[in-house]
Amino acid sequence: DGGITQSPKYLFRKEGQNVTLSCEQNLNHDAMYWYRQDPGQGLRLIYYSQIVNDFQKGDIAEGYSVSREKKESFPLTVTSAQKNPTAFYLCASKRTGIQETQYFGPGTRLLVL
Amino acid sequence: LAKTTQPISMDSYEGQEVNITCSHNNIATNDYITWYQQFPSQGPRFIIQGYKTKVTNEVASLFIPADRKSSTLSLPRVSLSDTAVYYCLVGDSGGYQKVTFGTGTKLQVIP
Repeated sequence: DGGITQSPKYLFRKEGQNVTLSCEQNLNHDAMYWYRQDPGQGLRLIYYSQIVNDFQKGDIAEGYSVSREKKESFPLTVTSAQKNPTAFYLCASKRTGIQETQYFGPGTRLLVL
Repeated sequence: LAKTTQPISMDSYEGQEVNITCSHNNIATNDYITWYQQFPSQGPRFIIQGYKTKVTNEVASLFIPADRKSSTLSLPRVSLSDTAVYYCLVGDSGGYQKVTFGTGTKLQVIP
């Protein structure tokens, strides 16, 4: 089955702790994205990557970091600098070409203890 | 990036046709219009995409006037399972460019 997987489904962070959210895709997509969604709100772009070893900041990158060492993987680290990390995090990927759309993973809900 | 404006919420009875309109006044020549559906605690799911005139698939229709400054998502005969948030996005689907999700339209289907 092709698709995008995110793990874990729920993640708890203690004060001052860095946590990493996993995103893997086997769709052979070039582009990958990370979004944050707060309750009752739309999606806001954190980071995106067009190709391996390259990524760009989105609209709310402060307090987050990413890496893209492999085409199929785009992990997101929520650092201690992110003071309000409680949210629903969504990963997406997309193929290049006309009329290609984003495919989303199931999401990870991050909670602060 | 073209900004989009949608109604915050809509209610509809089961079995009715629902039309959700999205405004995108500064849409660029290369931009496509894409609609996604999102259920609570799930990732958005692609519904339909179009560039101009009318597009229809098995779940929805998309109407785009000649000036492309707005678009209307039409859901025929909605059921309770269509209760969700619907997002209108405008962007260059041919490239890697980021697209911007607005707050979407929360559709509540009533029995």
